[in-house]
Amino acid sequence: GENVGLHLPTLSVQEGDNSIINCAYSNSASDYFIWYKQESGKGPQFIIDIRSNMDKRQGQRVTVLLNKTVKHLSLQIAATQPGDSAVYFCAETAQGAQKLVFGQGTRLTINP
Amino acid sequence: NAGVTQTPKFQVLKTGQSMTLQCAQDMNHNSMYWYRQDPGMGLRLIYYSASEGTTDKGEVPNGYNVSRLNKREFSLRLESAAPSQTSVYFCASSGRGDEKLFFGSGTQLSVL
Repeated sequence: GENVGLHLPTLSVQEGDNSIINCAYSNSASDYFIWYKQESGKGPQFIIDIRSNMDKRQGQRVTVLLNKTVKHLSLQIAATQPGDSAVYFCAETAQGAQKLVFGQGTRLTINP
Repeated sequence: NAGVTQTPKFQVLKTGQSMTLQCAQDMNHNSMYWYRQDPGMGLRLIYYSASEGTTDKGEVPNGYNVSRLNKREFSLRLESAAPSQTSVYFCASSGRGDEKLFFGSGTQLSVL
């Protein structure tokens, strides 16, 4: 099957810096993408999503960028805070597929 | 608003024992899902139910059965547990026409 993968399994940043988490996908039919945050001992929590007719979407301190040409998705977190420490997953689906396919996750750690 | 509720939170089984994981959602969602999460493997879909009365296999259905008891409840049953089923299990739900999943807090299952 086709996978959604991540470039880096771990990312360590200084508090206050911006974080960029990357995700590569291989299913060219995918048209909807989501980023989830998972804190230790909890279920994944929705952060932001984007459809394939867009290349950028902004939320509160987070921005998702989609590059369909190279099948690449990124999550940018501005002014990273200790509470941002978690594992971040990208997920994809195609219209009518009824199910999300998740990447392996990137662990984000914040240095004081 | 409780969202998605899973029980139990922790369970230890011996090989060959059976058990049922319970999931309920109070968001009036049509679709419900069971995922398992293993280290380094991300979230993999076991079974899903697109609507009340229907169930379908996901990526890793072997060794599991499901029941969509009503619109609110979706249970996952292990008939004869194996050590390979040691994992964290997440239930999720989504509304009609919405690919975004809402997750429960998970069940940590160990099979000895």
